[in-house]
Amino acid sequence: GENVEQHPSTLSVQEGDSAVIKCTYSDSASNYFPWYKQELGKGPQLIIDIRSNVGEKKDQRIAVTLNKTAKHFSLHITETQPEDSAVYFCAASSPGEVSGGSYIPTFGRGTSLIVHP
Amino acid sequence: GAGVSQSPSNKVTEKGKDVELRCDPISGHTALYWYRQSLGQGLEFLIYFQGNSAPDKSGLPSDRFSAERTGGSVSTLTIQRTQQEDSAVYLCASSLDRGSPLHFGNGTRLTVT
Repeated sequence: GENVEQHPSTLSVQEGDSAVIKCTYSDSASNYFPWYKQELGKGPQLIIDIRSNVGEKKDQRIAVTLNKTAKHFSLHITETQPEDSAVYFCAASSPGEVSGGSYIPTFGRGTSLIVHP
Repeated sequence: GAGVSQSPSNKVTEKGKDVELRCDPISGHTALYWYRQSLGQGLEFLIYFQGNSAPDKSGLPSDRFSAERTGGSVSTLTIQRTQQEDSAVYLCASSLDRGSPLHFGNGTRLTVT
């Protein structure tokens, strides 16, 4: 099955700095890579996603890059703000071999981002 | 609009008791997922429902865990004879169809004493 590794587990930055979180995946059939932000006491919320037919996607201060050859993808947050402090999860999914193509996402272990004012 | 709703938000139970966790997905979403999140850990897949297809139960950790989805909507996750290691946050998510982004509820925090 798919295995997703995520680094770092904790990231501390000053307000205004950039933050980068990296993930690798093992299943070359994976073709959908979402990123989720989880605030304390809440469920993860999708912040950006990318499919395998593009190498980069940007939405205001956040961007995701994908390198299918190396099987890694990264989340970039620029001009960080205290409200960006949260746990971020990457995930990867593929059609899979069960349930007729289930696309069940496999998640990384999360990165706790702390933005200091 | 209404998001994914989970109840209860918190549940404390004694070891050996059975518990039921409920999930109301977003209306019209055909796919429903259950994940478990232990302290400081990632999201561990438990079970997946897609339309009227047989559920994918490959993530259930033991036969004490079961889930059903009635009428293609509400789902219930049942844990029988709870153990202390079952303590975790149980997250439910739904998506429009397979391959679409997941929308998560806020989870049920289960504590087994």
